Amino acid sequence: DGGITQSPKYLFRKEGQNVTLSCEQNLNHDAMYWYRQDPGQGLRLIYYSQIVNDFQKGDIAEGYSVSREKKESFPLTVTSAQKNPTAFYLCASSSSGTDHYEQYFGPGTRLTVT
Amino acid sequence: AQRVTQPEKLLSVFKGAPVELKCNYSYSGSPELFWYVQYSRQRLQLLLRHISRESIKGFTADLNKGETSFHLKKPFAQEEDSAMYYCALSVGGGNKLTFGTGTQLKVEL
Repeated sequence: DGGITQSPKYLFRKEGQNVTLSCEQNLNHDAMYWYRQDPGQGLRLIYYSQIVNDFQKGDIAEGYSVSREKKESFPLTVTSAQKNPTAFYLCASSSSGTDHYEQYFGPGTRLTVT
Repeated sequence: AQRVTQPEKLLSVFKGAPVELKCNYSYSGSPELFWYVQYSRQRLQLLLRHISRESIKGFTADLNKGETSFHLKKPFAQEEDSAMYYCALSVGGGNKLTFGTGTQLKVEL
């Protein structure tokens, strides 16, 4: 079954703890992205990676970190420095060919921090 | 920095009525514009992009550079069109997308 998987679907953490969200794709896409979705604010880009071992900050990178050691994987760590970590997190990927603008999205992870 | 504005959080229309979801952008150059859709319990997915100039599921969108708009239109709304619609913009030939805040379309019988 091809596509993007995110795990877990729901995640609960105590304030002050770091937490890592998983994102895996088997679409052979070079580019991967992390977005945060909040009610009334749409999708905001956290980090993106165009190629393995390289990534760039998006619009709201503060309090987050990522790694891209493998083409298939782009984990996102929500650190204790993130002031409002409770949100719905979406991962996406895209190719770098002629259709590189189409982003394919995962099912999302809902993180609740109390 | 570029910005995408979708002024309506919720748009409610009757089945068979025309639909227009508004999208305005701010960017001085030539952007690429897209519409993404999220149906209930499904993933966010690409609906259409301005460069392909195609009609998808009866929806069309024309890029108006003078008005900096990319409104999504459909002449006759169907119940299955009910979903969350996001307008998005890409600049400089890159992959990075800037999304609007989304419009929830509700088609009533």
